[in-house]
Order: sequence, then C-alpha cells, then structure tokens
Amino acid sequence: KNEVEQSPQNLTAQEGEFITINCSYSVGISALHWLQQHPGGGIVSLFMLSSGKKKHGRLIATINIQEKHSSLHITASHPRDSAVYICAAPLFQGGGADGLTFGKGTHLIIQP
Amino acid sequence: DSGVTQTPKHLITATGQRVTLRCSPRSGDLSVYWYQQSLDQGLQFLIQYYNGEERAKGNILERFSAQQFPDLHSELNLSSLELGDSALYFCASSDRDRGDGYTFGSGTRLTVV
Repeated sequence: KNEVEQSPQNLTAQEGEFITINCSYSVGISALHWLQQHPGGGIVSLFMLSSGKKKHGRLIATINIQEKHSSLHITASHPRDSAVYICAAPLFQGGGADGLTFGKGTHLIIQP
Repeated sequence: DSGVTQTPKHLITATGQRVTLRCSPRSGDLSVYWYQQSLDQGLQFLIQYYNGEERAKGNILERFSAQQFPDLHSELNLSSLELGDSALYFCASSDRDRGDGYTFGSGTRLTVV
C-alpha cells in the first residue's frame, strides 16, 4: 500500500512569497496528483503528473520518480491561494483499480 | 461547475438511519469513485465503479454499499448510521483515455445526530 507524506502541515506566508509544499510516497507510481481544497469543502484537481514538471499560471508541480518525491510551488503568492493542498498517489498497482491515497494536506494561509 | 454532480449537499439524520447519496459523473467518464473525508481520518478511498462493475474497494464499512447504474450515475448507501459516520462524502469521476485525472463533486456533508 502506498504511503503519502506531506510537509509542512501548516504554512503561513506573506503575500508575494514563493511557496513550496513537499510530498513523498513509498511505492512507485504511474502518476501523482495535487489537489486544492478551499474552506467550505470543494476539491479541485490541480495537476496530474508522471514525470518532470507542469505549470499552470502561478502554480508549478515537479516530480522526481527515482526519489519518489514531488513538490508544488506557488510563485507570487496571493491571499486567494489560501487553501489546503493535498498530494495523492494511486492506492493500487495497475489492473484498472484507480483509487487514491492522500497525504494529510498542507494548510496554507497567505497574509496580505 | 466541475461536471460531477452530488446530491444532496447537506444531510442531517439520526443514528441507526439509512441514507443514500447520489453522484452523476462528468459526461463520458466511466469510472466513479467514492471518498470519505473526516476530521480524524482525512480523505479515504471507499470504492470504485467502472461502467457498472465494482473495480476496487478501500476502507468501506460493511454497513456501506454502492452501485453504478446503466446511465453511469452512482449511489452510496449508508445504513445503521453511527455518530462517527459524520463526514464529507465526495464522489469523483475519471476517464483513463482522457488522461486528465479526476474531477471531484462538491461533496455531501453528512451529519449524524
């Protein structure tokens, strides 16, 4: 079973700062997911990546398959980026079973 | 609107009761997943259906069951409810061929009193 660890659990930063959230997993995977959850509940999928790096606006996700490690970066952070960021990895190895296992999340607060 | 529709948004019920949560996946997605999010356990995978068939099971209690219908919508049935079942229940859908990950619904907040 894949174990997903995230750090830090809580992060408070000033507007404009560069943010890094880290994720490590225990078992080799086909793809890693980064999710965002705002207060009030809804979950949004930010990235699914299996190698290298992806960028969407001010968000960048990288993955190192050999080291079983991924990072989520936010450039020029803004108070609207305040949310919980969750890393998730496949729970199963192939066979069409696709459930995810999740890190505990990083609670990010960006202060103006 | 993510494309995944969950109803109801909120549900308050008493211990011992049975409830049904409903999920309509994004158009064209054959896989539906149910997840539970509680304060103490975080997000946990419950069950996956693919085109009407159960594909994978996670930490789903025997009191819980699910099914996916021919029109691909899914229902999660929770019975003999306990206080500890109070949680957010998310449905997600995906299409492997599209390769763009998961789309989550907005969740059903279940409160058992």
